[in-house]
Parts: sequence; C-alpha cells; structure tokens
Amino acid sequence: EVQLVESGGGLVQPGGSLRLSCAASGFTFGSYWMHWVRQAPGKGLEWVSRINYDGRSISYGDFVKGRFTMSRDNARNTLYLQMNSLRVEDTAFYYCVRNMGPDALDWWFDPWGQGTLVTVSS
Amino acid sequence: EIVLTQSPASLSLSPGERATLSCRASQSLRNYLAWYQQKPGQAPRLLMYDASTRATGIPARFSGSGSGTDFTLTISSLEPEDFAVYYCQQRTQWPLTFGGGTTVEIK
Repeated sequence: EVQLVESGGGLVQPGGSLRLSCAASGFTFGSYWMHWVRQAPGKGLEWVSRINYDGRSISYGDFVKGRFTMSRDNARNTLYLQMNSLRVEDTAFYYCVRNMGPDALDWWFDPWGQGTLVTVSS
Repeated sequence: EIVLTQSPASLSLSPGERATLSCRASQSLRNYLAWYQQKPGQAPRLLMYDASTRATGIPARFSGSGSGTDFTLTISSLEPEDFAVYYCQQRTQWPLTFGGGTTVEIK
C-alpha cells in the first residue's frame, strides 16, 4: 500500500522555523516527482513546491520568496520542507503529495499524506 | 497564473439526485484538468484527471467532461459518502492551481 506520513508540524512564532518530513512507503520513492500542497484551515488548496527524482530540480510558489527549502533523501525514502521566516499567513495543513505517475508530466496529485498542521502565532 | 473558478460554491441535494459541478479556467487548459474530493478531516483524493479519466477505484457514477476553459464534474446519483468538497486543478501552466471548491451538502 502506498503511504505518505508527514510529521514536524506544530506551533511556531512569526519569524521562526520548522522542518517538515514525509516518510514514503509502498512505492519506489526515487522514481517519482513529489510536492508539498497546503491548505489554510477552512480554505482551499495551494501548491507550495515540487522536486524531481534526484532533487536537482526544485521549484516553489511565488509566495515562498526564498523562505522554504524542499529536499529529499531517496535512501531514506523521505521528503523534507524546511520553512524559515514563517508568517502568520503560512498557517495551514501541509500535505506531502506524490505525482500520480512516474512520468514527469503526470502533474496530478495522488496519493496525499494525512497532512501536518503548522500554526504560526505569537 | 491560471485562475480556476468553481460554481456553485455550494450545492444542496438529496441522496439519489444528480450533481453537476462546474470549473471555468481563465485560459485554455486543453483537457489538462483534474477533480479532487475532500471529506471533513481528510486529505483530498484524486477523482478524475485529463478532464474525463477516472482515477483508480473511483466509481462509475462520477464522470467528467469539458475541454478548453469549461469543465464539468457530474455525479449521476449521489450516495451518502459523496457529500464533500470538490476541487478542480489545472496542470497546463506553473504554478499548478486549484479552484476554490464546491461543497455538496445533504439537503
């Protein structure tokens, strides 16, 4: 069974940092592009970032503005999101998501992890 | 950035009724549109991609249609488990974007 399990969320003050992790299992992790998607409580979905198979190609939504760093460790089947200079508006559930298929053009999100909540508040 | 506008924002229907959800794009997507279902307290689930292809395990009562800028998700006969929020998503242009969602609620 394909599984994505996020961890690392929590309460942080504005300007603080958090590192999210996503443990993947049930598929060949190193063969898939991966993404982070977020959802503010009660709001819609927003794509955050993507990373290619070997971690050499990464891109972010404009709102990240150099504050987040996405990475992966294929030996550990783990995805990461280092978030610095956090703002109140970054408060959201952060989902680890896989590309539907191994083809680089399969930009559909399937499956999703259960999400981890990041709360930025003083 | 491509803007996706979903309508209606909410839909109040009874089990057994037909649901028709709309997603309109600010520019042509060809057929590069997906639909997701999200139930309370759960992560979204992929229902449909390439506008009309059902994802693995999705029942046949779900169907998708459309191309260009106008797309439709139809649930032919609502089951109790179908009451949820539905989002559309495009993959034509980065950043990938989602619509604002349509809530299908029990009447």
